[in-house]
Amino acid sequence: DAGITQSPRHKVTETGTPVTLRCHQTENHRYMYWYRQDPGHGLRLIHYSYGVKDTDKGEVSDGYSVSRSKTEDFLLTLESATSSQTSVYFCAISESIWTSGRDNEQFFGPGTRLTVL
Amino acid sequence: AQSVTQLDSQVPVFEEAPVELRCNYSSSVSVYLFWYVQYPNQGLQLLLKYLSGSTLVKGINGFEAEFNKSQTSFHLRKPSVHISDTAEYFCAVRDFGNEKLTFGTGTRLTIIP
Repeated sequence: DAGITQSPRHKVTETGTPVTLRCHQTENHRYMYWYRQDPGHGLRLIHYSYGVKDTDKGEVSDGYSVSRSKTEDFLLTLESATSSQTSVYFCAISESIWTSGRDNEQFFGPGTRLTVL
Repeated sequence: AQSVTQLDSQVPVFEEAPVELRCNYSSSVSVYLFWYVQYPNQGLQLLLKYLSGSTLVKGINGFEAEFNKSQTSFHLRKPSVHISDTAEYFCAVRDFGNEKLTFGTGTRLTIIP
């Protein structure tokens, strides 16, 4: 299994509070991604990173920010959490987007269940 | 923009019967196609993928899928399902050279004993 951990695994917070989720990898992969999973929507990309300090927006980036100060860590921050951000958040990693080998795959972490009251 | 359609949100199947989970995609360029499985309370695990070459792709746990470019489909099949196949299955597409993976809404497969 790819070495991906997410912390915390579960969090309950109140509307208006800041929240930071952490994704940590031991694979030294270049690309890292944050998704949210909601019933009826599948997984939707929030933000992704293609290198240290290189990030870009995904499909549902409003209300979220990210940072990547080193290869192994990708942080997702909710500056002021809202109830609509209650979801399960998954981090993923991949090594390449250009080859047709195994390094093209995205490997997923175990997820963080966030509840905003 | 690419998109993925999984028309069946839930599929109940009797144990040892065959199953097909449907996936259609739209994209204007060459694509990579994936099927992921999510067991209850777990993360996503890759079942199989189509990157290039043979259009019939075999994956783990006896699953296979066929890439049909003319019909823009990538249906997942298994000839005989088991209770352990109970899970949610996601189809996903990525354009060649694009970092972004687009997922379908998922199909929940329930195996009836």
